[in-house]
Amino acid sequence: DAGVIQSPRHEVTEMGQEVTLRCKPISGHNSLFWYRQTMMRGLELLIYFNNNVPIDDSGMPEDRFSAKMPNASFSTLKIQPSEPRDSAVYFCASSLIDGSQHFGDGTRLSIL
Amino acid sequence: DQQVKQNSPSLSVQEGRISILNCDYTNSMFDYFLWYKKYPAEGPTFLISISSIKDKNEDGRFTVFLNKSAKHLSLHIVPSQPGDSAVYFCAASGGGSARQLTFGSGTQLTVLP
Repeated sequence: DAGVIQSPRHEVTEMGQEVTLRCKPISGHNSLFWYRQTMMRGLELLIYFNNNVPIDDSGMPEDRFSAKMPNASFSTLKIQPSEPRDSAVYFCASSLIDGSQHFGDGTRLSIL
Repeated sequence: DQQVKQNSPSLSVQEGRISILNCDYTNSMFDYFLWYKKYPAEGPTFLISISSIKDKNEDGRFTVFLNKSAKHLSLHIVPSQPGDSAVYFCAASGGGSARQLTFGSGTQLTVLP
């Protein structure tokens, strides 16, 4: 069984560049979540979707962050322009509605 | 303002003994609690959950206890095995579902052979 697939696993880029993180949820799951993990703030929810519709984006830190889910099998998290303080591990998770969340292995993002 | 707190950043236990990981929460609207385990360079993996209508849930070597009056939950691992060495996250949500999770900062468990 394929789990949640995130790409890339690692991303290193210079500040000011656009960064796009990708996520393929588990087939059949209808909820998708984006998290960010940092030393200072731990694991925090950025945004989540139910049936491809954004439900709560109150965790998105700034307008530089945006997320889309064009279909049930794909989501992106975009940062434009990126800044060094965006450096973190970004996790995507999916679940059945009200079910336990299954996490991908994360994207380690470094903004120089 | 941490709504879910894991006050012990690390814990070391001898193989075969009991590991007890603790978690406190402040939001009285939380009614569903979960534990996740995380190995380095991997995402968190769901371990066990408990609803606020229960005070105990057991799954093999893992048992979660919930004390609602104290706003405290704990995860017991018996017996502990070296493969249990990982970071353990406590998480909580309201509305009786695992939807919007608030995570604790994690506890690094090391099981010594």
